[in-house]
Amino acid sequence: DSGVTQTPKHLITATGQRVTLRCSPRSGDLSVYWYQQSLDQGLQFLIQYYNGEERAKGNILERFSAQQFPDLHSELNLSSLELGDSALYFCASSPQSRNYGYTFGSGTRLTVV
Amino acid sequence: AQTVTQSQPEMSVQEAETVTLSCTYDTSESDYYLFWYKQPPSRQMILVIRQEAYKQQNATENRFSVNFQKAAKSFSLKISDSQLGDAAMYFCAYRSPYNNNDMRFGAGTRLTVKP
Repeated sequence: DSGVTQTPKHLITATGQRVTLRCSPRSGDLSVYWYQQSLDQGLQFLIQYYNGEERAKGNILERFSAQQFPDLHSELNLSSLELGDSALYFCASSPQSRNYGYTFGSGTRLTVV
Repeated sequence: AQTVTQSQPEMSVQEAETVTLSCTYDTSESDYYLFWYKQPPSRQMILVIRQEAYKQQNATENRFSVNFQKAAKSFSLKISDSQLGDAAMYFCAYRSPYNNNDMRFGAGTRLTVKP
């Protein structure tokens, strides 16, 4: 157990639908990062939050949005889903100290049918 | 912007042998951090080893060690006495102390271990 909890582990939904992925960071970590990994591809950075505030945006589609709540958990909302959104979505957290790497959750595998 | 390049999409090694995975990066920063992550078939991302740019000594974690060449902007991972459980995708990553501590990942190298 990495300490970063992602739910659900698997999600199957139809095109056009909306889903919410949830992430609880490791205890004490204020930063949360969301990544998308398509099949056999690298990690695409989506968005970062720090203590409730958006800090950085990557290649995140307008159909996607995220937020971090006062208890530091984060949610990634994906709407108007397309077949190409099928991927593994990772959440990672990090302490303030920059010499640590990210700690990743086990990911949510989203399948759009 | 910093970029991380892993020029070997696939590598293979015989069990008990040694293999080196390559990584280069592009940056104008003098202070930064480098990481290797392992992603086994379970798809979990596992931190293998990290290196601070200001340290000249190469990091080592059991069978895993790095060859950090700051001037050449090279950060290779050496796996000694390879085991079947080492089979995975390996990602090199660069973390900036600026830019919101942004971390950049390479495209990955798929390592196969032959028994």
